[in-house]
Amino acid sequence: AQTVTQSQPEMSVQEAETVTLSCTYDTSENNYYLFWYKQPPSRQMILVIRQEAYKQQNATENRFSVNFQKAAKSFSLKISDSQLGDTAMYFCAFGGSNYKLTFGKGTLLTVNP
Amino acid sequence: AAGVIQSPRHLIKEKRETATLKCYPIPRHDTVYWYQQGPGQDPQFLISFYEKMQSDKGSIPDRFSAQQFSDYHSELNMSSLELGDSALYFCASSLVTHGYTFGSGTRLTVV
Repeated sequence: AQTVTQSQPEMSVQEAETVTLSCTYDTSENNYYLFWYKQPPSRQMILVIRQEAYKQQNATENRFSVNFQKAAKSFSLKISDSQLGDTAMYFCAFGGSNYKLTFGKGTLLTVNP
Repeated sequence: AAGVIQSPRHLIKEKRETATLKCYPIPRHDTVYWYQQGPGQDPQFLISFYEKMQSDKGSIPDRFSAQQFSDYHSELNMSSLELGDSALYFCASSLVTHGYTFGSGTRLTVV
């Protein structure tokens, strides 16, 4: 079974600064997907970024980028130029061959003005 | 763009009652998933369907059942509701994990 660990229950950052959220996972599979989801107070699950394990290049989406270290089973999310609207719970998730997602416990990110 | 539609958005039921949650996936997505997110918890996988057949099962109580219909919409049926069933229930759909998209969720409150 896969496990996903987010070691930072809460983090805060000043507006316009950069913050990195950590995620590690454990799996015996070789082909899989990794995701970061954002869940604001509205509770909607919003996909932030997605990484295919077979791709060596780190995924980027505007201000969001990942540092994917397959050998270390690490998948961190970097948010640049943080904005107040980035305040949310962030979940790291693993999607294996059966396509169901296993989530970490989440990191509550607060962006301060 | 079309999204995953869930209904109802909110539902209040009494203990021991039955609830039915509905999910309409993105057109042409072939897989539907159900997740349960308790207060302050991460989402937990319940069950999934691929091409209308159950493809995987997680920690879903025996009191719960689900199915996917010919038009690809899915329903999660929950019987003998307990207070602990109060949660946010998400449906998601995907096409071989490309575009794995969640609906807005149904908030179930059992009183």
